[in-house]
Amino acid sequence: GAGVSQSPRYKVAKRGQDVALRCDPISGHVSLFWYQQALGQGPEFLTYFQNEAQLDKSGLPSDRFFAERPEGSVSTLKIQRTQQEDSAVYLCASSLRRDRASETQYFGPGTRLLVL
Amino acid sequence: AQSVSQHNHHVILSEAASLELGCNYSYGGTVNLFWYVQYPGQHLQLLLKYFSGDPLVKGIKGFEAEFIKSKFSFNLRKPSVQWSDTAEYFCAVNTYNTDKLIFGTGTRLQVFP
Repeated sequence: GAGVSQSPRYKVAKRGQDVALRCDPISGHVSLFWYQQALGQGPEFLTYFQNEAQLDKSGLPSDRFFAERPEGSVSTLKIQRTQQEDSAVYLCASSLRRDRASETQYFGPGTRLLVL
Repeated sequence: AQSVSQHNHHVILSEAASLELGCNYSYGGTVNLFWYVQYPGQHLQLLLKYFSGDPLVKGIKGFEAEFIKSKFSFNLRKPSVQWSDTAEYFCAVNTYNTDKLIFGTGTRLQVFP
């Protein structure tokens, strides 16, 4: 019955460090999305999973960004060799996604990443 | 490429004033339209959505939005705002075969008692 959870809520990294951000979707939700929200902007799409299949990764800004969802539930977004421009809030969302793109996406609280 | 424009970046109102937030999208095909709200310190949550049928959609907390296809618009309205409506409001769109949401830049609403 819990909503989407994300951890950690805050992460400070030194430039060049690797980070891993975790998302626990709502139980039974098929679809999982990652978005990046820069300060003062709306969320921007990064990648999308349906079960364990990554169907769209067109929004990943570089090959330093990698996401996985190996068992079709929990997902991890990994950023290698972090740069200052990676500083943002990373949002995870999940939806039932039976047949329709109109299914509501439920968002987690986000992970605020600051790269120094 | 699809895009969403929210022309009001910051709106300041007194309680009981009426609210209308603009949202325009660019896409020629069938779309699904959403308004999300983010209250201070909270996560994004759905206010309302349109995907078919009656173009006037009613959501939670007295909000409504009207889809006008000819104008590519989906403006959000509330006849009388409350202090508790202070939040950031995001309009978003996706299409029949593209699940990802395209968001506008958001409108920050401040309501003073």
